[in-house]
Amino acid sequence: AQSVSQHNHHVILSEAASLELGCNYSYGGTVNLFWYVQYPGQHLQLLLKYFSGDPLVKGIKGFEAEFIKSKFSFNLRKPSVQWSDTAEYFCAVNSNPGGYQKVTFGTGTKLQVIP
Amino acid sequence: GAVVSQHPSRVICKSGTSVKIECRSLDFQATTMFWYRQFPKQSLMLMATSNEGSKATYEQGVEKDKFLINHASLTLSTLTVTSAHPEDSSFYICSADARGGENYNEQFFGPGTRLTVL
Repeated sequence: AQSVSQHNHHVILSEAASLELGCNYSYGGTVNLFWYVQYPGQHLQLLLKYFSGDPLVKGIKGFEAEFIKSKFSFNLRKPSVQWSDTAEYFCAVNSNPGGYQKVTFGTGTKLQVIP
Repeated sequence: GAVVSQHPSRVICKSGTSVKIECRSLDFQATTMFWYRQFPKQSLMLMATSNEGSKATYEQGVEKDKFLINHASLTLSTLTVTSAHPEDSSFYICSADARGGENYNEQFFGPGTRLTVL
């Protein structure tokens, strides 16, 4: 069974600091990878996704993530965070691309950005 | 982008009653919808996969007689929590699989339903 681990449960940063959130998955085959964000009081929204091609994926709001197959990782980055980035971030993996989706979510990382 | 709605957004019910939650894809057809449960400070746990016109596929440990899922059309799936008990209190989230085009293999999430069983 696939699993997803996010090592940082709670991250506190000052505005303009750089962000990197770790995500590792366990599945040896082809995967689709996602980062979702949940702002306070709102529903999950897709930040970015990787299906194939360039392993460096750019998403909305200045976020990017790099797929490193050899490390089974898909870390999320942003060079300079803003207060409005305060939210919970979930990494997700789908190991059945093309078939029925079964997306497994990580436990989430709460990001708090201090003005 | 694709929009998924859920109704109601919040429901409070007495123990022993049944509660129905609706999940609708507003501007696309979804052959597959998913139901998740999110506990406080935890991630989303997949409960079941709902396929239009067929029986839902439940994850291990999820009681199918407790959580009835119906996916009668390409835009509507319902989750009914039968004989609800306080331990069923949770945040229930649905998502819909938008297939084809640039949204291939992407799920779109509803805003969730907060269920409180007294």
